[in-house]
Amino acid sequence: RKEVEQDPGPFNVPEGATVAFNCTYSNSASQSFFWYRQDCRKEPKLLMSVYSSGNEDGRFTAQLNRASQYISLLIRDSKLSDSATYLCVVSSGGTSYGKLTFGQGTILTVHP
Amino acid sequence: GAVVSQHPSRVICKSGTSVKIECRSLDFQATTMFWYRQFPKQSLMLMATSNEGSKATYEQGVEKDKFLINHASLTLSTLTVTSAHPEDSSFYICSARDAGSTDTQYFGPGTRLTVL
Repeated sequence: RKEVEQDPGPFNVPEGATVAFNCTYSNSASQSFFWYRQDCRKEPKLLMSVYSSGNEDGRFTAQLNRASQYISLLIRDSKLSDSATYLCVVSSGGTSYGKLTFGQGTILTVHP
Repeated sequence: GAVVSQHPSRVICKSGTSVKIECRSLDFQATTMFWYRQFPKQSLMLMATSNEGSKATYEQGVEKDKFLINHASLTLSTLTVTSAHPEDSSFYICSARDAGSTDTQYFGPGTRLTVL
């Protein structure tokens, strides 16, 4: 089983649509959780951290359920510029502190 | 925000040669840097953790004699791909953790290696 698993995608949605991505992680000792976006042939860029209380940044809302080891990302009012690969990322604790484990990514294409 | 640079951004080399990639934190000190590899249509895979002043820690399946890592200062880590072969062609990305931050990593722009 992969340490971080994401929706296989790809997602093709029209502008203005709401889209949700899901992610599960296997290591219950994981300490920090993130969503990154990666554009084609570029490095990943941090989109937002994910907290148990849930957090929102504009059109983006992230949720974490530690009991279910589940992370989600909701994008409202999709824009063409949201087209990218979205990576669910988990950070380890303990002796592996700071190590990031990436999910395989979900491709989002927003079309006019 | 913090900036991490990588050099070169792109390299094409012949099979059997060695390639050195530099990762620099430009405006902060990084006691720890990470090296990742990303093959086409796949996600980033951690290769090794580079610690300033000590030996790197390699992930399972990554040959330490093939991928030499040196973290000689708080702002520079290098990855040398020795005797590169076509299967080493990949996108190599480093990240640096700000020593003053608990859990923030900044990624370099990546180096695209093509081995002919």
